[in-house]
Amino acid sequence: DTAVSQTPKYLVTQMGNDKSIKCEQNLGHDTMYWYKQDSKKFLKIMFSYNNKELIINETVPNRFSPKSPDKAHLNLHINSLELGDSAVYFCASSQDWAETNEKLFFGSGTQLSVL
Amino acid sequence: AQRVTQPEKLLSVFKGAPVELKCNYSYSGSPELFWYVQYSRQRLQLLLRHISRESIKGFTADLNKGETSFHLKKPFAQEEDSAMYYCALSRPRNTDKLIFGTGTRLQVFP
Repeated sequence: DTAVSQTPKYLVTQMGNDKSIKCEQNLGHDTMYWYKQDSKKFLKIMFSYNNKELIINETVPNRFSPKSPDKAHLNLHINSLELGDSAVYFCASSQDWAETNEKLFFGSGTQLSVL
Repeated sequence: AQRVTQPEKLLSVFKGAPVELKCNYSYSGSPELFWYVQYSRQRLQLLLRHISRESIKGFTADLNKGETSFHLKKPFAQEEDSAMYYCALSRPRNTDKLIFGTGTRLQVFP
């Protein structure tokens, strides 16, 4: 049973398209996150939701919009994709807000390639 | 398939004691290995990467290809080292995904 699952694992698309990456966790956690892995393999937080409420919203283009229909799901929608959006995106969850030192559970990542 | 194993969920030591957080990996090629850390009330951050061969906050980690390990060590633990530590592996291309271990919580008691 996969604890945090994100789909698709690989996404290849054209510039200008709109795409979504889905994330689901079956751990009963209250908090979910989206991270972006940059070219140096640094992980940078993009968004965090706690009980469907947005609690972290880093400086990312507003073409990126998270959507949390319920606390088990946090989807990432990206409008008007650009070449620079090509990266690996990780979903994660934790029982409570990870900044209180809760353990993070990571999804396997989605490798987005914008052509 | 690549995999990262952190066998300890929790490691508790007293201040001043040596610390070793274990990380083993499975990968047939030449991996890149990382340690990430999340301190209380802070964001997840990169602690060190094996290709840098540096010591950060007194921590070091040596890649042992024979034992397929990348253990994180510090000779004298401090209370402020208490955090969650995640080992991660990647293939060498800069577009390759990080693969995370399940994390080890380090508690350093006064």
